Amino acid sequence: GESVGLHLPTLSVQEGDNSIINCAYSNSASDYFIWYKQESGKGPQFIIDIRSNMDKRQGQRVTVLLNKTVKHLSLQIAATQPGDSAVYFCAETLSGNTPLVFGKGTRLSVIA
Amino acid sequence: NAGVTQTPKFQVLKTGQSMTLQCAQDMNHEYMSWYRQDPGMGLRLIHYSVGAGITDQGEVPNGYNVSRSTTEDFPLRLLSAAPSQTSVYFCASSLRGRNTGELFFGEGSRLTVL
Repeated sequence: GESVGLHLPTLSVQEGDNSIINCAYSNSASDYFIWYKQESGKGPQFIIDIRSNMDKRQGQRVTVLLNKTVKHLSLQIAATQPGDSAVYFCAETLSGNTPLVFGKGTRLSVIA
Repeated sequence: NAGVTQTPKFQVLKTGQSMTLQCAQDMNHEYMSWYRQDPGMGLRLIHYSVGAGITDQGEVPNGYNVSRSTTEDFPLRLLSAAPSQTSVYFCASSLRGRNTGELFFGEGSRLTVL
């Protein structure tokens, strides 16, 4: 996957700091959202999801925030570690029964 | 538990050649799909299937065929490869019917068409 992220927005964060990755989704009717992490040379992996009846959901070191008014999704990573370096994608769907639509991704680079 | 297995991992084709990318999952997932990933374009859906015998087109289906004769397998066929099909291809599956959209991805197949 070395060439996949050539034109992606990049977020550089110092190790130990918190990271915030933003995503503007496209369909106001979407009601289910997922964040995926893709490490170099691998397929995307599920991080966390949230449904439209929630504004916030927390996982282990990660929090997803949903603002339906402005169609905005964010992923917060606490105490960012070198292993968090990857490309992060948000994805949306309608009721989980339509195919996921992915955003273009953001590359997170952790500075040790 | 192997999850989603894609073969081959790498392939080089000449324009006009045909090939099949294989995808198999051992999780008894109903839903399977193929995405292509290009620089700056994110993941774009090619074809998907909600169960054996059922397939549907995604965002970029032209130049690709699929079939779903079994729950486990979902091959992607390129009948006449073009340089525009140079990409990394991902197969993904999920357990529909349990109100989840979580996709499990394979490791990807990198295709170069000369």
